[in-house]
Amino acid sequence: NAGVMQNPRHLVRRRGQEARLRCSPMKGHSHVYWYRQLPEEGLKFMVYLQKENIIDESGMPKERFSAEFPKEGPSILRIQQVVRGDSAAYFCASSPDREWAFFGQGTRLTVV
Amino acid sequence: QQQVKQSPQSLIVQKGGISIINCAYENTAFDYFPWYQQFPGKGPALLIAIRPDVSEKKEGRFTISFNKSAKQFSLHIMDSQPGDSATYFCAAGGANNLFFGTGTRLTVIP
Repeated sequence: NAGVMQNPRHLVRRRGQEARLRCSPMKGHSHVYWYRQLPEEGLKFMVYLQKENIIDESGMPKERFSAEFPKEGPSILRIQQVVRGDSAAYFCASSPDREWAFFGQGTRLTVV
Repeated sequence: QQQVKQSPQSLIVQKGGISIINCAYENTAFDYFPWYQQFPGKGPALLIAIRPDVSEKKEGRFTISFNKSAKQFSLHIMDSQPGDSATYFCAAGGANNLFFGTGTRLTVIP
C-alpha cells in the first residue's frame, strides 16, 4: 500500500519556465489537496480537488497557477512563468473522505 | 489572517520530560483537529487527531487536550525522546481544507 507519491522530489527551473508537479494519491483516495510551504513556515492551503473537479481553489494565486485531477492519472499542479518567489516546497495530500489527509514527501521547487 | 495560532515557536525539553504545544483557532465551524509531525526534508505525517465532541484523546505517549469553549487545543508528548525532535504542526479542519499553525520546532536533549 504505497503512500502518496509526488514527483519530482526536486525541480529546478529558470525564471519564466513552466513547472509541473505530479501527485499520485493513495489507492482508494479520491480527495487531493495541494499545499505550499516556505522555509521555516507552516503549510498554506492552495487547492482541493476531487476526480475531474476543483472543489476549492481559494488558496491559489489568481495568475500562473492551475491544478487538475483527471479521471485517469495523477493530479498536476502547474506553475507557468515561474518567478523566484515561487521557490518553495509543494506538498500534496490525499484523503478517502475529506479528512485524515496523508501527505507526500513534497516537491522542492527552486527557481534560479 | 492566521486561522490557527500555534505556540511556542520552538521548544527544548530534556529526555523523559513532557513537551506541550498549544494551538488556538478562530472559526467555530472547524470540526477536525489533527497534529502532524515533520522531519527535515520529509512530508508532514499525521500523528493524532481529535473531533470537538471529546475533550481528550490519547495514543501512546501522545495526548490531545481540547477545550471547545476556549477554542484551544494542545498536544502533550509524555516521556519525550530524542527521536521526537521534529517540527510539529497543529491544524484545524473545515469543509474543504485544513488550516495549519506555523509550527513548533521541538528539540529533545539527552
